[in-house]
Amino acid sequence: TQLLEQSPQFLSIQEGENLTVYCNSSSVFSSLQWYRQEPGEGPVLLVTVVTGGEVKKLKRLTFQFGDARKDSSLHITAAQPGDTGLYLCAGSHRDNYGQNFVFGPGTRLSVLP
Amino acid sequence: DSGVTQTPKHLITATGQRVTLRCSPRSGDLSVYWYQQSLDQGLQFLIHYYNGEERAKGNILERFSAQQFPDLHSELNLSSLELGDSALYFCASSSEAAWAEAFFGQGTRLTVV
Repeated sequence: TQLLEQSPQFLSIQEGENLTVYCNSSSVFSSLQWYRQEPGEGPVLLVTVVTGGEVKKLKRLTFQFGDARKDSSLHITAAQPGDTGLYLCAGSHRDNYGQNFVFGPGTRLSVLP
Repeated sequence: DSGVTQTPKHLITATGQRVTLRCSPRSGDLSVYWYQQSLDQGLQFLIHYYNGEERAKGNILERFSAQQFPDLHSELNLSSLELGDSALYFCASSSEAAWAEAFFGQGTRLTVV
């Protein structure tokens, strides 16, 4: 069974601070996605990383895929209250039965003004 | 807008009743996934359908069932409802591309009273 772990589980910081959240697995994935979910809403895709060692930037968010494609990190620079939400990572792979997605439990981020 | 449509958005029903949740995937996506998310929890995978066929089952109760129709929309049927079934139910769809991503609907909030 493939599992994804995320850390920290909860994070509360002040506006303007930097933070990093982690997504780890013992399994190799063909790609990894990061989502942000706000209360009562569906998860929204932020980024997909595919190549080991890949780094993608989305404004103040920097995503990195581990060299072995087993782990990933999300770094937020100068966090803002609008960054508050549940951050989910998901590893994907294909097997004989189609595309599979394994979701981590999420990191719940609160950015205080 | 993810392109995935879920109805209804809210549903309140009594214990012991049966409800049907509906999901229309993004145009062209053949895969539909159902997830349950209880309060302040992560996403629990329920079931995956591809082009009308069941592909994978997660922690889905026997009281729950799903199907995908020829027009690719999917329905999740929940019966003999219990208070603990109160949750957000999400569907997601994906293509079969090599690095396909899951796109989520806005969810159905089910409240069992």
